[in-house]
Amino acid sequence: AQSVTQLDSHVSVSEGTPVLLRCNYSSSYSPSLFWYVQHPNKGLQLLLKYTSAATLVKGINGFEAEFKKSETSFHLTKPSAHMSDAAEYFCVVSDRGNTGFQKLVFGTGTRLLVSP
Amino acid sequence: DAGVTQSPTHLIKTRGQQVTLRCSPKSGHDTVSWYQQALGQGPQFIFQYYEEEERQRGNFPDRFSGHQFPNYSSELNVNALLLGDSALYLCASSFASGTPSYEQYFGPGTRLTVT
Repeated sequence: AQSVTQLDSHVSVSEGTPVLLRCNYSSSYSPSLFWYVQHPNKGLQLLLKYTSAATLVKGINGFEAEFKKSETSFHLTKPSAHMSDAAEYFCVVSDRGNTGFQKLVFGTGTRLLVSP
Repeated sequence: DAGVTQSPTHLIKTRGQQVTLRCSPKSGHDTVSWYQQALGQGPQFIFQYYEEEERQRGNFPDRFSGHQFPNYSSELNVNALLLGDSALYLCASSFASGTPSYEQYFGPGTRLTVT
């Protein structure tokens, strides 16, 4: 089965400094990986996805992630944090299973705190 | 273009009761998945419906059941509610015939509180 591990439950940064949210994955085949963001009392929004093409994936709001097969990692970064980035971030892997249909397997989440 | 919609937004039920949550997928999508998100945790996959049939299921008891209608909308039913069923229930829609990297679009969720 596919799984992801988010290495930090909380990350605190100052506004204008870089953001790094870490994620390692476990997969028996070439994975599909995603980062979702969830603002308080809001639904989940897709930030970016890895499609087995380019290993450096650019998403919305200045976020990007790099797929590193040798390290089984898919870390999320942003050069400069903004106050509006404060939210819960989920690293997600797609699991095809035996039926051919895909389900999403979520990590436990990383809460990003941004201070002025 | 309407996204994924869910109703109701909030719900309070008593232990032992039954509840039905509803979801309308994004226009053009034919597959609906349901997830449970307990407080402080990541969403957990409950089950997925395509062509009005349950296609795969997560590790949830039979108290959790669902249905998909010909217009692709879906219901999640939970019987004999337990306190531990209190959570945010998320619906996601997608194309079943999408590429391996297909996306699921999420609704805002239904907050269920069991007292």
